[in-house]
Amino acid sequence: NAGVTQTPKFQVLKTGQSMTLQCAQDMNHEYMSWYRQDPGMGLRLIHYSVGAGITDQGEVPNGYNVSRSTTEDFPLRLLSAAPSQTSVYFCASSFRRGFNQPQHFGDGTRLSIL
Amino acid sequence: SQELEQSPQSLIVQEGKNLTINCTSSKTLYGLYWYKQKYGEGLIFLMMLQKGGEEKSHEKITAKLDEKKQQSSLHITASQPSHAGIYLCGAVIIQGAQKLVFGQGTRLTINP
Repeated sequence: NAGVTQTPKFQVLKTGQSMTLQCAQDMNHEYMSWYRQDPGMGLRLIHYSVGAGITDQGEVPNGYNVSRSTTEDFPLRLLSAAPSQTSVYFCASSFRRGFNQPQHFGDGTRLSIL
Repeated sequence: SQELEQSPQSLIVQEGKNLTINCTSSKTLYGLYWYKQKYGEGLIFLMMLQKGGEEKSHEKITAKLDEKKQQSSLHITASQPSHAGIYLCGAVIIQGAQKLVFGQGTRLTINP
């Protein structure tokens, strides 16, 4: 079972470059989200989507864009990379957003901005 | 400020010893999740607690939700090297959008 697949696993960028982190799930989950994980700060929500065509901002959305054209895919775009965006990024999905819906996580993308 | 505070932030225990990790919320909890993360990997779902006083167990790991205190505890009995990793609590907090927030994590090391 593939679950939640993130690509790439590692990436190094120069300041000002743009890139897209890919996330795909094969569980027909409605809810998908992107988090970043930084030392001592746990996971912080960047953007989320409750279904195809619907996205919304989380805690730390600045510098990131998302789109949800299909149920399966939820890419995260860095428009102009900054060193402060060096982090580990996790994509997660659940059948629905709600109290009884544990999220399934991908293995993460480790991103370094020089 | 963290809406979910975990304690301790790190923990080193001797193999075979019991341990407890706490997760405390500054807001009302409407469901709490425990995850485990190994270095370089994603988060693995352990347990979900929804009702006050609810307690769940999986192998040697037990989690309990105390809604009155807005706190959850994760207890490991007779720890093993396989228990090493980072434990994170996540919770649904009613703030209009029902945002899911996470604690900062507890790094657990098991010494042989």
